[in-house]
Amino acid sequence: EVQLLESGGSLEQPGGSLRLYCSGSGVTLSSYGMSWVRQAPGKGLEWVSGISAGGDSTYDADSVKGRFTISRDNSKNTLYLRMSSLKGEDTAVYYCAKDHHSAPGTYIPGSYLDVWGKGTTVTVSS
Amino acid sequence: FMLTQPHSVSESPGKTVTISCTRSSGGIASNYVQWYQQRPGSSPTTVIFEDNQRPSGVPGRFSGSIDSSSNSASLTISGLRTEDEADYYCQSYDSSNRRVFGGGTKLTVL
Repeated sequence: EVQLLESGGSLEQPGGSLRLYCSGSGVTLSSYGMSWVRQAPGKGLEWVSGISAGGDSTYDADSVKGRFTISRDNSKNTLYLRMSSLKGEDTAVYYCAKDHHSAPGTYIPGSYLDVWGKGTTVTVSS
Repeated sequence: FMLTQPHSVSESPGKTVTISCTRSSGGIASNYVQWYQQRPGSSPTTVIFEDNQRPSGVPGRFSGSIDSSSNSASLTISGLRTEDEADYYCQSYDSSNRRVFGGGTKLTVL
C-alpha cells in the first residue's frame, strides 16, 4: 500500500523556524512531483509548494514565497518543507501529497494529487 | 486567478446535486480541473481528475464537466447517499505552475 507520513509539526513562536518531513512507503517518490498543502483550522485547502521529481524545480504560493523552502532527498524517499519567519496565519495542518503522473525530470501541475498523508499540525503562537 | 465555489449546498438522499467552480480570469478550459472530497477528520481524496475523469474506485454517480460560456467547472453527484456528505474542493493551476484550490463547498445530505 502506498502511504505518505508527515512529521515535524509542533508549537513554534512567531518568527521561528520549523522543518517538516514527509516519508513515503510502498512507492518510490523519485519518479513523482510532490506538493505540500495546508489547511488552517476550520478553513479550506491551500496549496503551499510543489517540487519536480528530480528536485530541480520548485514552486511556491505567494503567501509563503521567500519564507518556506520545499526540497527532497530521493535517496531517503523523503520530502521536506523548511519553514522560517513563521506567522500566526501559518497555523494549519500540513499535508504532503504525491502527483499521480510519473514524471521523472519534470513537474506536471495538471496531474492530480492521488496520495495524501494524514497531515502534521503546525501551531504558531507566543 | 481564483476559483469560487458556493460555501454550502444541501440536498436529500437519492437526489442530484451540482457544485460549481468559477474561474476568475483565464479560460476554465486552459488548465485541467480536479475535484477532491474531504470527509471530516480525513485527508482529501480525488473524485474527478482532468475535468471529467473518475479514478478507479469512485462510483459513476460522480461526474465532472466544464462550461466555457460561464467559465466554470461543475461536479455533479447523482443518487445522493449520506456518505457523500463532505467538503468538496475544485483545483486547477496557473501559468506559473502553481496549483490553486477553490474555497470548498460543504455538502449536506439531509
